[in-house]
Amino acid sequence: DAGVTQSPTHLIKTRGQQVTLRCSPKSGHDTVSWYQQALGQGPQFIFQYYEEEERQRGNFPDRFSGHQFPNYSSELNVNALLLGDSALYLCASSPVLATYEQYFGPGTRLTVT
Amino acid sequence: QQQVKQSPQSLIVQKGGISIINCAYENTAFDYFPWYQQFPGKGPALLIAIRPDVSEKKEGRFTISFNKSAKQFSLHIMDSQPGDSATYFCAARRNAGNMLTFGGGTRLMVKP
Repeated sequence: DAGVTQSPTHLIKTRGQQVTLRCSPKSGHDTVSWYQQALGQGPQFIFQYYEEEERQRGNFPDRFSGHQFPNYSSELNVNALLLGDSALYLCASSPVLATYEQYFGPGTRLTVT
Repeated sequence: QQQVKQSPQSLIVQKGGISIINCAYENTAFDYFPWYQQFPGKGPALLIAIRPDVSEKKEGRFTISFNKSAKQFSLHIMDSQPGDSATYFCAARRNAGNMLTFGGGTRLMVKP
């Protein structure tokens, strides 16, 4: 049983550019959450998707947006990249009857230069 | 505003010893408290979790102790092994929604 998968593994972008990160949840999971983890810090919640809608959002600007597809996979889009957006972006999925349990993928390391 | 405070930031333990990591929270609306283990270059892995109606939960060498009145909880790793060397994060979930609020992390090193 494959766990949560994310792509790409690493990404280097230039300030001002836009980026799209992708996530496939664990089998049997229908809820996807995105987190940003700066170096040496704990993950910070960006938003959560369920039934293709954003259900909850953390303290992140509108430059951060997302989408969930009918097959429960999800994308995170970040526009107008800033140097401070450099971080590990983590996707977590949750099972249908236990949405409080979150299982993380390996993350996408984004570097903004 | 950091709602979950974790200590210590780093910890060195001898093989076979007990590793203890502490967390304190402020928001009484938190109702689920998981611990995650993260190795370098990997995503956090769910280790063990507890709800506030239970004072202790044990899974193998890992035990969570929970003190609701003090708004504190801790992770104990018994018989610590070099393979346990990783960064550990406590987290908390509010009873409305599923957003996890994480502590700052503890880097554990177990010396052989």
